[in-house]
Amino acid sequence: NAGVTQTPKFQVLKTGQSMTLQCAQDMNHEYMSWYRQDPGMGLRLIHYSVGAGITDQGEVPNGYNVSRSTTEDFPLRLLSAAPSQTSVYFCASSSREPGWDTEAFFGQGTRLTVV
Amino acid sequence: AQSVTQLGSHVSVSEGALVLLRCNYSSSVPPYLFWYVQYPNQGLQLLLKYTTGATLVKGINGFEAEFKKSETSFHLTKPSAHMSDAAEYFCAGGYQKVTFGTGTKLQVIP
Repeated sequence: NAGVTQTPKFQVLKTGQSMTLQCAQDMNHEYMSWYRQDPGMGLRLIHYSVGAGITDQGEVPNGYNVSRSTTEDFPLRLLSAAPSQTSVYFCASSSREPGWDTEAFFGQGTRLTVV
Repeated sequence: AQSVTQLGSHVSVSEGALVLLRCNYSSSVPPYLFWYVQYPNQGLQLLLKYTTGATLVKGINGFEAEFKKSETSFHLTKPSAHMSDAAEYFCAGGYQKVTFGTGTKLQVIP
């Protein structure tokens, strides 16, 4: 009963490096999203997808790319890491878009440090 | 614009005391509302949610919340705090779009 699986759990990057945070869900959810969590700021939406092949920007999309080639996977790419991207990243999925009566299911998070 | 506001970034209670975590929403349309809990180094998990119907919602681990439209509030309560309740709690909600509050860290003092 995996739910939402994120890898890696921890990562240290040097400024300018690129990397991909992986997210997979096994609940056949159409809606997936990426959030970043920073102290005192709650969760902020980076990008989201309403289904395979469809993605859109959230509140803080700059510096991140996403794609959704399958229902199960929704990777987040950092193109050129910056110290401002040091954060904890959460992937979430739900059966429909947030803002309705369905809750989101979250992965365990990826703690990223950019030095 | 709709938003969710949590009052108090840190709350401390003694073990056995009442837990009250505050959440207010701003929305012209009655929103769907959720409380999530985050234990250290974990993701968020659902505690309870309000959609329609009964305004007093019971969740897991003895928590409950009451939707009060007149006060635009959805405060989370638990009659008697347990050490295992120490965590960060997030209120979230909206209508057709969801926003998260900034979180409240609950400390339980033995």
